[in-house]
Amino acid sequence: KQEVTQIPAALSVPEGENLVLNCSFTDSAIYNLQWFRQDPGKGLTSLLLIQSSQREQTSGRLNASLDKSSGRSTLYIAASQPGDSATYLCAVPLGGNNRLAFGKGNQVVVIP
Amino acid sequence: EPEVTQTPSHQVTQMGQEVILRCVPISNHLYFYWYRQILGQKVEFLVSFYNNEISEKSEIFDDQFSVERPDGSNFTLKIRSTKLEDSAMYFCASSEVFTGVDGYTFGSGTRLTVV
Repeated sequence: KQEVTQIPAALSVPEGENLVLNCSFTDSAIYNLQWFRQDPGKGLTSLLLIQSSQREQTSGRLNASLDKSSGRSTLYIAASQPGDSATYLCAVPLGGNNRLAFGKGNQVVVIP
Repeated sequence: EPEVTQTPSHQVTQMGQEVILRCVPISNHLYFYWYRQILGQKVEFLVSFYNNEISEKSEIFDDQFSVERPDGSNFTLKIRSTKLEDSAMYFCASSEVFTGVDGYTFGSGTRLTVV
């Protein structure tokens, strides 16, 4: 059974600091890994999708790495801004079917 | 950018009532899903739907739940007799292919409150 864990559960950083959010998963037989952003009471916005053959994916200030063999992904957010305050979720499709398993999220607060 | 649209954004219902949550997936996507998130918990898979039938469902998706694609654009989740514990945010999602190789697109959710 695929278990997805995200550490830290919550963090607060001053504006301008870089953020490092970690996601680990127990079953490395994944097609891809997707990072989402969730604002309080809102939907899931896709940030980055990394295919299993890729090592990293970048979009603006966001960079996500994937180490499939060790079951880990890291989301880096450079030069954080107050608008980055949100919960960040990682999700992987379960092997053999197409349901997603989610972590509980990294809740981020960027202090102005 | 194509979107998954969900209505209503918030629904309050009395325990025992039936509710229907509606979704319009992205038009060229073939796989449709419902997930839910109880406050403070992980997002959980409920059901996937392809070619007008359920392709997979979780343990949560019992006989109280049903899904339907009544026409070419809508995808609905029905809860027949709501319970307090059904209170959650319900997300619809769609993907173009089985493995979600291009990723999954989620809607903005329907917050269901059962009183």
